[in-house]
Order: sequence, then C-alpha cells, then structure tokens
Amino acid sequence: EPEVTQTPSHQVTQMGQEVILRCVPISNHLYFYWYRQILGQKVEFLVSFYNNEISEKSEIFDDQFSVERPDGSNFTLKIRSTKLEDSAMYFCASSDNLITKETQYFGPGTRLLVL
Amino acid sequence: GDSVTQMEGPVTLSEEAFLTINCTYTATGYPSLFWYVQYPGEGLQLLLKATKADDKGSNKGFEATYRKETTSFHLEKGSVQVSDSAVYFCALSTGGYQKVTFGTGTKLQVIP
Repeated sequence: EPEVTQTPSHQVTQMGQEVILRCVPISNHLYFYWYRQILGQKVEFLVSFYNNEISEKSEIFDDQFSVERPDGSNFTLKIRSTKLEDSAMYFCASSDNLITKETQYFGPGTRLLVL
Repeated sequence: GDSVTQMEGPVTLSEEAFLTINCTYTATGYPSLFWYVQYPGEGLQLLLKATKADDKGSNKGFEATYRKETTSFHLEKGSVQVSDSAVYFCALSTGGYQKVTFGTGTKLQVIP
C-alpha cells in the first residue's frame, strides 16, 4: 500500500540553525500539507500546498517557515532560524484529487529537537 | 472557526472491555469526520472516516457514526485488546482539500 515517507525520523539542531524536513508524498497525490504536534498537545495545521503554491497557511506559519516542491517527488519544509519552541513532531500529509480527496494520509513524522 | 472536542484521557480498560471515546464537533457546512490513531512512537494512521450524516465508518472492530443532529462522532469498540493501546484523535475536514482540524487526543491504555 502506498504511503507517505519522511526523513529524517529525528533531528537535533541548535537554536538559530536552519533545518529542512523532507517528505515524499504518495505518488499521484497533488495536495500536500504540513502539521506539527508539540509534545503532549494537539496536532496543528501549518500549511497546505497545491500546484506549486501555498493554498492556505496558519498563524504559526510565519516568515521563518517555507515550503517547496523541488522536484516531482519531494516536498520540503524549511525553518530558517529555529527557536526552542519549534521543537515538535512534524507531520507531512497528502491527498489525491479524485475518490478520496477529503482524506489526508500522514507520514510517520520527523521529531525535531531544538537546543 | 471549526473545532473538535473529545473526552479527556487517559482511559484505562481491561482487555475485552467495551470502549467509547466521545467526540463532538463544531463546523460550518457539512464536514467529513475522521478518527486517527497514533501508536507509541509512530505517526498518525487513519482509522476510519464518514463523509455524510448517518454514515458509519468502521475498521479493525472500531466503529463511529456521523450524527448530524448531535454533532457527534463517538468511537466504539466492543472488545478492546492490549494492542489497541494508543492515542486516538477525532478530526474533521470541511471538504475538498481543506485542512484537518484535530481534537486533543485521548490516550487509551488496555491492561491484560
């Protein structure tokens, strides 16, 4: 069964450093999303992406964040200058445009720790 | 805005007990409703969904019915197993390619 994959599974970085989180959505999906889950809290929407542009973003997704689809398979989330409060689990998700368009399939997540 | 409220955890049950996790929602229009499960150390997995009123989603012995009149989508299982121990998230999407709004999650622990 096709699945969303994410790399790395864990990343530790120093405050102020840039990080790039990578995702490979399900092939033939056209809609891509990033969410985050701070430890012990609810899963929060960050951004959605379609046709090479942002469709919607939340208040969390400020100028420190950016997304990109650099090629036909990868979808990345960049945090330019990490803060302590960026420590969280980051989930990528994708959905298709036909039968199950309202269903988002999530990857296993990248756990980011900012020191 | 859209929101999902689910019962606080943790919920501790003995194996073979009946499970109910309550979930209610607030949304404009007619949302699709979901239950996601997160096993320890893993990501979010779609457990079941329902896209319109009175639909029943089911998977792995879990069921939930979309009740528009009570704006609820309670998760049930007749006989839980130790392997069901996980965090369960109720969620909604207002259709198309809109963001998913999650509840706070309910941790379930099943003891032998």
